[in-house]
Amino acid sequence: GENVEQHPSTLSVQEGDSAVIKCTYSDSASNYFPWYKQELGKRPQLIIDIRSNVGEKKDQRIAVTLNKTAKHFSLHITETQPEDSAVYFCAASPDNQGGKLIFGQGTELSVKP
Amino acid sequence: KAGVTQTPRYLIKTRGQQVTLSCSPISGHRSVSWYQQTPGQGLQFLFEYFSETQRNKGNFPGRFSGRQFSNSRSEMNVSTLELGDSALYLCASSLAGTGSSPLHFGNGTRLTVT
Repeated sequence: GENVEQHPSTLSVQEGDSAVIKCTYSDSASNYFPWYKQELGKRPQLIIDIRSNVGEKKDQRIAVTLNKTAKHFSLHITETQPEDSAVYFCAASPDNQGGKLIFGQGTELSVKP
Repeated sequence: KAGVTQTPRYLIKTRGQQVTLSCSPISGHRSVSWYQQTPGQGLQFLFEYFSETQRNKGNFPGRFSGRQFSNSRSEMNVSTLELGDSALYLCASSLAGTGSSPLHFGNGTRLTVT
């Protein structure tokens, strides 16, 4: 069935370092891969997304890469700051199923000043 | 533009009762999805509505149901509440409702079942 695995579950870095979170998905028909950031007690917020016809996308300090052959996608955060501390979720959208996302289990990122 | 609005923010119910949660999507968004978030299971898809029709459904029992009105507002109902239904229920809306249309989440309704 549809499944998304996310690693690591927790990640601690020093301010200024880079952070990488990796996800794999099972449904080869998935064509949309968003990343959400959820701060404590708040709603998940979309920070970046990538579609299956693109291999990489950047937005300032955040980048996402997609390898459709291996069914892997990753989030890269450079020059981390304490305000980057949150839980990050990757997700995959099964083909032609609008509104349905399969989420990874989340990565709790802690950026130490 | 106002974001996704969910009411109420908090609910406390007793086992066996039923509950109705409400969601108002971003203006112009026609697709509304519901998710359950728990520490153990993470974010799980409940169902999605588009133009008042349920298009997708997750793996939840029939006690979980929903509907969408002509103004795109949506409600979710849980009957015969169980302790395990305690969770944060999140509503999300999207413009086109296609597989690649970004979802925008509300702040959620925190349901506690005692």
